[in-house]
Amino acid sequence: DTAVSQTPKYLVTQMGNDKSIKCEQNLGHDTMYWYKQDSKKFLKIMFSYNNKELIINETVPNRFSPKSPDKAHLNLHINSLELGDSAVYFCASSPPGRHNSPLHFGNGTRLTVT
Amino acid sequence: DQQVKQNSPSLSVQEGRISILNCDYTNSMFDYFLWYKKYPAEGPTFLISISSIKDKNEDGRFTVFLNKSAKHLSLHIVPSQPGDSAVYFCAAPGLSGYALNFGKGTSLLVTP
Repeated sequence: DTAVSQTPKYLVTQMGNDKSIKCEQNLGHDTMYWYKQDSKKFLKIMFSYNNKELIINETVPNRFSPKSPDKAHLNLHINSLELGDSAVYFCASSPPGRHNSPLHFGNGTRLTVT
Repeated sequence: DQQVKQNSPSLSVQEGRISILNCDYTNSMFDYFLWYKKYPAEGPTFLISISSIKDKNEDGRFTVFLNKSAKHLSLHIVPSQPGDSAVYFCAAPGLSGYALNFGKGTSLLVTP
């Protein structure tokens, strides 16, 4: 049973297009996240939702919009894709509590913008 | 501004020997640290953690040491096995408590 699943695994698209990445977790966690791993391998937080409410929104272009229809899903929509958006995007979730709640990651979506 | 730093991008160790992965942090407010392991084409998976009230935490072959005065922690793997070959990330919760600050990772290769 996949705990955090994201689709698609690979996404190749042209500049200017709009695309979405879906994420679902079946762990019953309250908090979900989107992380971006760029070409330099840094894993950076983009967004965090707790019970469908946005709690973290790092400095991310407005072209990126997270949507959480329920606490088990956190989708990422990207408008007007740019070359610099090429990266691996990881969805993650965690249960309530700060210190004893390691993140559970999905396997990532490799986005390539041509 | 990287608050969690892993200055060694790669490490190669022979099977059976000890692997030592290092991590430095800049924010003295950090009070909890985690190590994650990542295989290619997979997401990071939690490995071991340590609270700042401790200076050592052990779980099987994995031990994490914390030196608060030096703002330094290390992960020891002994004995190292080929299956340990992966990228290891050090992380600390941000001040919001909801997200983790990750280091850049160290790629460990354990050779037979």
